[in-house]
Amino acid sequence: GESVGLHLPTLSVQEGDNSIINCAYSNSASDYFIWYKQESGKGPQFIIDIRSNMDKRQGQRVTVLLNKTVKHLSLQIAATQPGDSAVYFCAERINDMRFGAGTRLTVKP
Amino acid sequence: DTAVSQTPKYLVTQMGNDKSIKCEQNLGHDTMYWYKQDSKKFLKIMFSYNNKELIINETVPNRFSPKSPDKAHLNLHINSLELGDSAVYFCASSLDTSNQPQHFGDGTRLSIL
Repeated sequence: GESVGLHLPTLSVQEGDNSIINCAYSNSASDYFIWYKQESGKGPQFIIDIRSNMDKRQGQRVTVLLNKTVKHLSLQIAATQPGDSAVYFCAERINDMRFGAGTRLTVKP
Repeated sequence: DTAVSQTPKYLVTQMGNDKSIKCEQNLGHDTMYWYKQDSKKFLKIMFSYNNKELIINETVPNRFSPKSPDKAHLNLHINSLELGDSAVYFCASSLDTSNQPQHFGDGTRLSIL
């Protein structure tokens, strides 16, 4: 399943499928990007980051892709699990962190 | 062993009152932040302190006054609370002011009656 971040704030996927959450960032001078996961009643939790001199970074079941040409960031979650259900935020940094609007990911069993 | 802890978790109060939210981090970080999250989940930075010094002050009303007694604590005092102050306030910390992840507390839900 795939979302377009600001334009599709919800994404629903089947358990076991791969998820792609997209984010369009605003400033071409941003040099650092983070994906956060926020569960209900909790604070944002760091998932993965990437610096502007990279275009891909992998973590455990997650991959972040950065396309500076079109100012686009995506988070790929492999084999999505019910515990991945949350709101996901991208954030860009120039002088301080600026957060995107968030995408709510729902994983159906 | 909570890394960033905020108190209280919930705060319900009347318009016009003054209230404080406390934040402590035990990560040994130099930089701390306050964010406001509105009902649409939009997160916006309010303040940033580095080693007890204010480094970012976004366009926040003067009724909001942060105080950092030491680099492990950043408290937020709000005077003359207004209905529009209702939100979830998050404290966060990072190692320093360079490109580092921020670690967030679990938030304080402020409700103004």
